[in-house]
Amino acid sequence: DIQMTQSPSTLSASVGDRVTITCRASQSVSGRLAWYQQIPGKAPKLLIHEASSLESGVPSRFRGSGSGTEFTLTISNLQPDDFATYFCQQYNGYFPWTFGQGTKVEIK
Amino acid sequence: QVQLVQSGAEVPKPGASVKVSCKASGFTFTSFYLHWVRQGPGQGLEWMGIINPNGGSTSYAQRLQGRLSLTRDTSTDTVYMELSSLTSEDTAVYYCARVRPYSGGAFDVWGQGTVVTVSS
Repeated sequence: DIQMTQSPSTLSASVGDRVTITCRASQSVSGRLAWYQQIPGKAPKLLIHEASSLESGVPSRFRGSGSGTEFTLTISNLQPDDFATYFCQQYNGYFPWTFGQGTKVEIK
Repeated sequence: QVQLVQSGAEVPKPGASVKVSCKASGFTFTSFYLHWVRQGPGQGLEWMGIINPNGGSTSYAQRLQGRLSLTRDTSTDTVYMELSSLTSEDTAVYYCARVRPYSGGAFDVWGQGTVVTVSS
């Protein structure tokens, strides 16, 4: 199975900050990676697909980059609604598809 | 609108089975693979399996093989997830999710989640 490792596990930031979350795969997943935002008690929400494509309706302050084994999600000008947990997910063909353990972005 | 609506919370006993439904609307049911993902209390997301509503073929996570069954009913645009021989480790929120069009596998539509609490 492909292991996905996110860092950091928790991130403290303030409104207006720029934050970066990293996701590393145990083997190449090409560009087959997605990022999700999850608010407690809600289903995950797709932000980025194919590593860098912004999902329709998602603010442009969210940016995904990377390929192969290393990926980043950058949130610019952090807004109050952005305090949540973020997950990466790989879908490189073979099952099981796997998720990172999550990064909680909390208010400093 | 495009949505997946799941059945309500369940409280099965250890050793029993649970069956959760996921009804699709707003899109062509047989044109999209549907997956199941679960999330234990305070835990991350675990991929469970996939079903192709067009034909009913399935693939399951190895650790759930033999306990997990995904089926579909094309007359009601509904998929079902049944998990047997439950233990406390199966206590989780269970989600169905659709693969985004023109994506290799990102999930663009999720059900609201079904809480399954395994308890005697």
